[in-house]
Formats: sequence, structure tokens, C-alpha cells
Amino acid sequence: RKEVEQDPGPFNVPEGATVAFNCTYSNSASQSFFWYRQDCRKEPKLLMSVYSSGNEDGRFTAQLNRASQYISLLIRDSKLSDSATYLCVVNIGNQFYFGTGTSLTVIP
Amino acid sequence: GAVVSQHPSWVICKSGTSVKIECRSLDFQATTMFWYRQFPKQSLMLMATSNEGSKATYEQGVEKDKFLINHASLTLSTLTVTSAHPEDSSFYICSASGIPHYEQYFGPGTRLTVT
Repeated sequence: RKEVEQDPGPFNVPEGATVAFNCTYSNSASQSFFWYRQDCRKEPKLLMSVYSSGNEDGRFTAQLNRASQYISLLIRDSKLSDSATYLCVVNIGNQFYFGTGTSLTVIP
Repeated sequence: GAVVSQHPSWVICKSGTSVKIECRSLDFQATTMFWYRQFPKQSLMLMATSNEGSKATYEQGVEKDKFLINHASLTLSTLTVTSAHPEDSSFYICSASGIPHYEQYFGPGTRLTVT
């Protein structure tokens, strides 16, 4: 079983829509959680860390559910520039486990 | 956020030659550095994890004698692709984690083409 699983998508949504991604992890000892975004032919960039209490950064909200072992990312009022692949990352010790990424395309 | 640089950003080499890629953390101490490879339209694949001053830990299927990793200081790790072949052509990305930034920060990547 993979450490981290994500729906690869693609998600095609109109501008202004709200879209949510989920990611599940298998190891209950996982310590830290992150969302990264990766644009085509570029390196991944840290979008936000995910805390137990949930956290929000502008149009982006991340949630962690330890009981069900999943994290989520909600994007409100989608912009064209949000089109990218979103990677879910789980940290245990000094190991980081990446999901395969969820592809999002925001359509005008 | 933290800054990680990679050099070169793009390299073309002939089959059989070796290529060295450098990864530097510019504003923090990278106690752990990671090397990834990514083929077009595919996910990141972790090749190896290196802790400063220690030998790298390679993922299953990655040849340690072909992909030499050195992490001799808290700000520099190198990946040398030895005797490169066309199938080694890929996007190689490093990332760093450490003090005070425990999250991973990625370098801009090195696009390697072996002819």
C-alpha cells in the first residue's frame, strides 16, 4: 500500500469555482503534512503546511483529519493561475512521502 | 521561505560521459537533502536521501555506483551521473530540509539530456 494516495484527476473547473482535493496517508505515525504545487516543467513549491487545527491562507484552506488519516485542500474562487499539479506530502522523521499529484485546470 | 539553488539548470552531454549537478541551500542549514528524478508527465521519484556527513540512502532500484551523491557540508550536495546514457535523460530536482526550515524546499531542477 502506498504511503500517500491522491486522486490524479484531472480536475477541470471554471474560473471562480470552488474545488477540493483529498489525500489519504497510511502511516498513523505521520508527523507533518504539506501541500505543494508544481507547474509544468518546474520544481514543486511549498503551498502550505497543514495543521491539526486547520489553516487558511487567502483562498486556500487546508485541513487534517488524523482519525481518518486524510488531509484536504480547498481552493475558493479559482483563478486561471491556480492551474497546476497539487502534491500532498507527509513527513515521518526525516522522510517525506509524496503523493502522485492532482492535476487542476481552471478554465476561463 | 528558504532558497535552494541548483546548477546547471540545463545540460546536454554525450553518452558515456559523467555529469555533476550541484544543489545548494543559500540561507539555511540543510541537514538533509533529497534527490529526485521526474520524467515527462510522471510523478517525482525519490532517488536518494542524504544527511550531511553521512552516506546517502538510495531508494530501491537506484544504482548507487551510477548516481554518486555527496553531502559534505550543510549547504551543498552533489549528484554525479556517471557514464550517462540516453535513458538517464530526465529532470533532476534536489530539495533540502533542515534548520530552521524542516519543510522541503526544492531547487529549480536540472534538465539533463544525454545524446
